[in-house]
Amino acid sequence: GEDVEQSLFLSVREGDSSVINCTYTDSSSTYLYWYKQEPGAGLQLLTYIFSNMDMKQDQRLTVLLNKKDKHLSLRIADTQTGDSAIYFCAERNDYKLSFGAGTTVTVRA
Amino acid sequence: DVKVTQSSRYLVKRTGEKVFLECVQDMDHENMFWYRQDPGLGLRLIYFSYDVKMKEKGDIPEGYSVSREKKERFSLILESASTNQTSMYLCASNLGTEQNIQYFGAGTRLSVL
Repeated sequence: GEDVEQSLFLSVREGDSSVINCTYTDSSSTYLYWYKQEPGAGLQLLTYIFSNMDMKQDQRLTVLLNKKDKHLSLRIADTQTGDSAIYFCAERNDYKLSFGAGTTVTVRA
Repeated sequence: DVKVTQSSRYLVKRTGEKVFLECVQDMDHENMFWYRQDPGLGLRLIYFSYDVKMKEKGDIPEGYSVSREKKERFSLILESASTNQTSMYLCASNLGTEQNIQYFGAGTRLSVL
Protein backbone atom coordinates (compact mmCIF):
# COMPACT_ATOMS: atom_id res chain seq x y z
CA GLY A 1 0.00 0.00 0.00
CA GLU A 2 1.29 3.42 -0.93
CA ASP A 3 0.51 4.90 2.46
CA VAL A 4 2.37 2.33 4.50
CA GLU A 5 6.05 1.65 3.89
CA GLN A 6 8.33 -1.04 5.19
CA SER A 7 11.63 -2.50 4.10
CA LEU A 8 11.34 -5.63 1.98
CA PHE A 9 13.91 -7.96 3.53
CA LEU A 10 15.50 -8.73 6.89
CA SER A 11 18.00 -11.48 7.68
CA VAL A 12 18.63 -12.36 11.32
CA ARG A 13 20.61 -15.00 13.17
CA GLU A 14 18.70 -17.50 15.26
CA GLY A 15 18.54 -16.33 18.86
CA ASP A 16 19.05 -12.65 18.02
CA SER A 17 16.33 -10.00 18.14
CA SER A 18 14.57 -8.94 14.95
CA VAL A 19 13.29 -5.41 14.45
CA ILE A 20 10.89 -4.67 11.62
CA ASN A 21 10.11 -1.04 10.91
CA CYS A 22 7.13 0.61 9.28
CA THR A 23 6.06 4.17 8.50
CA TYR A 24 2.50 5.27 7.84
CA THR A 25 0.96 8.51 6.68
CA ASP A 26 -2.52 8.79 8.16
CA SER A 27 -2.17 10.54 11.50
CA SER A 28 -5.82 9.82 12.27
CA SER A 29 -5.35 6.04 12.21
CA THR A 30 -6.77 4.66 15.43
CA TYR A 31 -5.29 1.18 15.23
CA LEU A 32 -2.11 -0.25 13.75
CA TYR A 33 -1.48 -3.92 13.19
CA TRP A 34 1.18 -6.51 12.55
CA TYR A 35 0.22 -9.58 10.54
CA LYS A 36 2.38 -12.63 9.80
CA GLN A 37 2.18 -14.74 6.65
CA GLU A 38 3.90 -18.11 6.61
CA PRO A 39 4.71 -19.76 3.27
CA GLY A 40 1.60 -20.88 1.42
CA ALA A 41 -0.76 -19.48 4.05
CA GLY A 42 -3.01 -16.50 4.61
CA LEU A 43 -2.32 -13.65 7.01
CA GLN A 44 -2.50 -14.21 10.73
CA LEU A 45 -2.87 -11.33 13.18
CA LEU A 46 0.15 -11.12 15.48
CA THR A 47 -0.71 -8.04 17.47
CA TYR A 48 -2.23 -4.59 17.24
CA ILE A 49 -1.83 -1.31 19.09
CA PHE A 50 -4.23 1.51 19.78
CA SER A 51 -2.95 4.91 18.76
CA ASN A 52 -2.93 6.33 22.29
CA MET A 53 -0.35 3.75 23.36
CA ASP A 54 3.42 3.97 22.96
CA MET A 55 4.25 0.35 23.56
CA LYS A 56 2.64 -3.04 23.77
CA GLN A 57 4.35 -6.24 24.84
CA ASP A 58 3.13 -9.77 24.30
CA GLN A 59 5.59 -12.55 25.17
CA ARG A 60 8.44 -12.29 22.64
CA LEU A 61 6.77 -9.48 20.71
CA THR A 62 7.18 -5.76 21.47
CA VAL A 63 5.42 -3.09 19.45
CA LEU A 64 6.62 0.50 19.63
CA LEU A 65 4.58 3.38 18.25
CA ASN A 66 5.94 6.87 17.65
CA LYS A 67 2.93 8.93 16.61
CA LYS A 68 4.92 12.09 16.07
CA ASP A 69 7.08 10.40 13.43
CA LYS A 70 4.31 8.02 12.29
CA HIS A 71 6.66 5.12 12.91
CA LEU A 72 5.75 1.63 14.06
CA SER A 73 8.12 -1.18 14.88
CA LEU A 74 7.88 -4.84 15.80
CA ARG A 75 10.62 -6.44 17.83
CA ILE A 76 10.82 -10.22 18.07
CA ALA A 77 13.05 -11.40 20.89
CA ASP A 78 15.04 -14.65 20.63
CA THR A 79 14.13 -15.15 16.97
CA GLN A 80 13.47 -18.76 16.01
CA THR A 81 13.37 -20.56 12.65
CA GLY A 82 9.57 -20.63 12.95
CA ASP A 83 9.60 -16.84 12.81
CA SER A 84 10.70 -16.96 9.16
CA ALA A 85 7.77 -15.38 7.33
CA ILE A 86 6.50 -12.21 5.70
CA TYR A 87 5.41 -9.55 8.20
CA PHE A 88 2.88 -6.93 7.19
CA CYS A 89 2.29 -3.64 8.88
CA ALA A 90 -1.24 -2.20 8.44
CA GLU A 91 -3.12 0.90 9.50
CA ARG A 92 -6.84 1.34 9.91
CA ASN A 93 -8.52 3.81 7.53
CA ASP A 94 -12.23 3.84 8.33
CA TYR A 95 -13.47 0.33 7.50
CA LYS A 96 -10.35 -0.55 5.53
CA LEU A 97 -6.89 -1.71 6.39
CA SER A 98 -4.01 -0.33 4.34
CA PHE A 99 -1.10 -2.73 4.19
CA GLY A 100 2.58 -2.27 3.59
CA ALA A 101 4.40 -4.37 1.01
CA GLY A 102 5.59 -6.83 3.66
CA THR A 103 9.02 -7.57 5.13
CA THR A 104 10.40 -11.04 4.42
CA VAL A 105 12.27 -12.21 7.50
CA THR A 106 14.80 -14.98 7.02
CA VAL A 107 16.23 -16.64 10.11
CA ARG A 108 19.65 -18.22 9.60
CA ALA A 109 21.26 -20.75 11.88
CA ASP B 1 -11.84 -19.91 16.29
CA VAL B 2 -12.79 -17.88 13.26
CA LYS B 3 -12.57 -19.84 10.08
CA VAL B 4 -12.39 -18.28 6.63
CA THR B 5 -12.33 -20.89 3.90
CA GLN B 6 -11.39 -20.29 0.30
CA SER B 7 -12.64 -23.03 -1.99
CA SER B 8 -9.46 -23.50 -4.03
CA ARG B 9 -5.78 -23.21 -3.12
CA TYR B 10 -4.63 -23.25 -6.74
CA LEU B 11 -6.40 -22.48 -9.99
CA VAL B 12 -5.18 -22.43 -13.56
CA LYS B 13 -7.40 -20.73 -16.12
CA ARG B 14 -7.14 -19.56 -19.70
CA THR B 15 -7.34 -15.98 -20.93
CA GLY B 16 -10.95 -14.97 -21.50
CA GLU B 17 -12.46 -17.53 -19.13
CA LYS B 18 -14.96 -16.51 -16.47
CA VAL B 19 -13.51 -17.32 -13.06
CA PHE B 20 -15.25 -17.63 -9.71
CA LEU B 21 -13.35 -17.50 -6.42
CA GLU B 22 -15.41 -18.50 -3.41
CA CYS B 23 -15.00 -17.58 0.23
CA VAL B 24 -17.00 -18.72 3.25
CA GLN B 25 -16.75 -17.57 6.86
CA ASP B 26 -18.35 -19.28 9.84
CA MET B 27 -18.48 -16.49 12.42
CA ASP B 28 -21.49 -14.47 11.26
CA HIS B 29 -19.27 -11.52 10.32
CA GLU B 30 -20.93 -8.57 8.61
CA ASN B 31 -17.93 -7.50 6.60
CA MET B 32 -16.05 -9.44 3.97
CA PHE B 33 -13.13 -8.40 1.77
CA TRP B 34 -11.24 -9.51 -1.32
CA TYR B 35 -7.57 -8.59 -1.76
CA ARG B 36 -4.94 -9.47 -4.25
CA GLN B 37 -1.35 -9.93 -3.11
CA ASP B 38 1.58 -9.29 -5.42
CA PRO B 39 5.28 -9.30 -4.51
CA GLY B 40 6.52 -5.88 -3.51
CA LEU B 41 3.01 -4.43 -3.55
CA GLY B 42 1.52 -5.99 -0.46
CA LEU B 43 -2.25 -6.44 -0.27
CA ARG B 44 -4.55 -4.30 -2.35
CA LEU B 45 -8.29 -4.18 -1.72
CA ILE B 46 -10.44 -5.18 -4.68
CA TYR B 47 -13.95 -5.11 -3.18
CA PHE B 48 -15.60 -4.97 0.20
CA SER B 49 -19.07 -6.04 1.35
CA TYR B 50 -20.69 -4.79 4.55
CA ASP B 51 -23.95 -6.74 4.27
CA VAL B 52 -25.81 -9.18 2.06
CA LYS B 53 -26.14 -7.78 -1.47
CA MET B 54 -24.11 -4.70 -0.46
CA LYS B 55 -20.68 -3.98 -1.91
CA GLU B 56 -18.17 -1.19 -2.28
CA LYS B 57 -15.26 -0.82 -4.64
CA GLY B 58 -11.83 -1.00 -3.17
CA ASP B 59 -8.62 0.39 -4.62
CA ILE B 60 -8.39 -1.87 -7.72
CA PRO B 61 -11.88 -3.04 -8.76
CA GLU B 62 -11.32 -2.92 -12.52
CA GLY B 63 -11.80 -6.30 -14.17
CA TYR B 64 -13.54 -7.78 -11.12
CA SER B 65 -17.03 -8.06 -9.72
CA VAL B 66 -18.39 -9.60 -6.53
CA SER B 67 -21.49 -11.29 -5.23
CA ARG B 68 -22.83 -11.65 -1.71
CA GLU B 69 -26.13 -13.47 -1.71
CA LYS B 70 -25.69 -14.97 1.76
CA LYS B 71 -23.99 -13.47 4.78
CA GLU B 72 -21.39 -16.21 5.05
CA ARG B 73 -20.35 -16.32 1.40
CA PHE B 74 -18.51 -13.73 -0.70
CA SER B 75 -17.57 -14.50 -4.29
CA LEU B 76 -15.05 -12.76 -6.51
CA ILE B 77 -15.71 -12.94 -10.23
CA LEU B 78 -13.31 -12.34 -13.07
CA GLU B 79 -15.63 -11.82 -16.02
CA SER B 80 -12.91 -12.39 -18.60
CA ALA B 81 -9.63 -13.44 -17.07
CA SER B 82 -6.45 -11.81 -18.30
CA THR B 83 -2.80 -12.66 -17.69
CA ASN B 84 -2.31 -9.58 -15.52
CA GLN B 85 -4.81 -11.06 -13.08
CA THR B 86 -2.39 -13.86 -12.24
CA SER B 87 -1.94 -13.35 -8.53
CA MET B 88 -2.64 -14.57 -5.02
CA TYR B 89 -6.17 -13.73 -3.92
CA LEU B 90 -6.99 -13.43 -0.24
CA CYS B 91 -10.41 -13.26 1.35
CA ALA B 92 -10.96 -11.76 4.80
CA SER B 93 -13.85 -11.08 7.15
CA ASN B 94 -14.50 -9.10 10.31
CA LEU B 95 -17.20 -8.24 12.75
CA GLY B 96 -16.98 -4.49 12.31
CA THR B 97 -15.88 -3.78 15.88
CA GLU B 98 -13.69 -0.84 16.80
CA GLN B 99 -10.53 -2.91 16.59
CA ASN B 100 -11.42 -3.87 13.00
CA ILE B 101 -9.42 -7.09 13.14
CA GLN B 102 -9.62 -8.95 9.87
CA TYR B 103 -9.38 -12.73 9.64
CA PHE B 104 -7.93 -14.20 6.49
CA GLY B 105 -8.36 -17.32 4.43
CA ALA B 106 -5.37 -19.32 3.19
CA GLY B 107 -5.50 -17.73 -0.25
CA THR B 108 -6.09 -18.85 -3.82
CA ARG B 109 -3.15 -18.73 -6.19
CA LEU B 110 -4.59 -18.04 -9.64
CA SER B 111 -2.60 -18.46 -12.82
CA VAL B 112 -4.11 -17.15 -16.05
CA LEU B 113 -2.40 -18.57 -19.15
